[in-house]
Amino acid sequence: AQTVTQSQPEMSVQEAETVTLSCTYDTSENNYYLFWYKQPPSRQMILVIRQEAYKQQNATENRFSVNFQKAAKSFSLKISDSQLGDTAMYFCAFMFMNRDDKIIFGKGTRLHILP
Amino acid sequence: NAGVTQTPKFQVLKTGQSMTLQCAQDMNHEYMSWYRQDPGMGLRLIHYSVGAGITDQGEVPNGYNVSRSTTEDFPLRLLSAAPSQTSVYFCATLARGAYNEQFFGPGTRLTVL
Repeated sequence: AQTVTQSQPEMSVQEAETVTLSCTYDTSENNYYLFWYKQPPSRQMILVIRQEAYKQQNATENRFSVNFQKAAKSFSLKISDSQLGDTAMYFCAFMFMNRDDKIIFGKGTRLHILP
Repeated sequence: NAGVTQTPKFQVLKTGQSMTLQCAQDMNHEYMSWYRQDPGMGLRLIHYSVGAGITDQGEVPNGYNVSRSTTEDFPLRLLSAAPSQTSVYFCATLARGAYNEQFFGPGTRLTVL
């Protein structure tokens, strides 16, 4: 069965610093998607960034980037120049590419950006 | 374009009561799903549907029923509520294709006394 593991339950960093959130996953499949979702105190789930497993280039979205290591099954999220509005729960998620199957979430990392 | 809507936003039930959490979408997405979110547990899949008339169980289906008679609606039924079902419930749709992005509803906070 596929699993997604986020080893950091909670993190705190100062505003403007860079922070990296870890995610590892386990699958025997070769084609899949990986996602990072943000959940601020409003509870709304917001897609931050996605990565297709067949792409070697790491995805980036403004201050957010990933370090995708397929062989190591690692998918970390880097937030540069962190802002107070980045304070949220962050979830890593896995989805098969060509199957109508479930999306699997990690347990989340609660990130606090300190002023 | 409302996206994914959920009603109610908050609900308090007594043990043994039944209720239906409503989920509706106007994006014509085939894939819909229900998750529950508990502290320290992340999001766990309850049931999902890949199209009208088709449903399947997720990771934690016990105590919940679903049906999918239309593309737009995917209600979640609690037949006999238990305190263990106290949680925040999210409905989501999936846009399969180029983007494969999930769209989440705002959530329903359910408390079972």
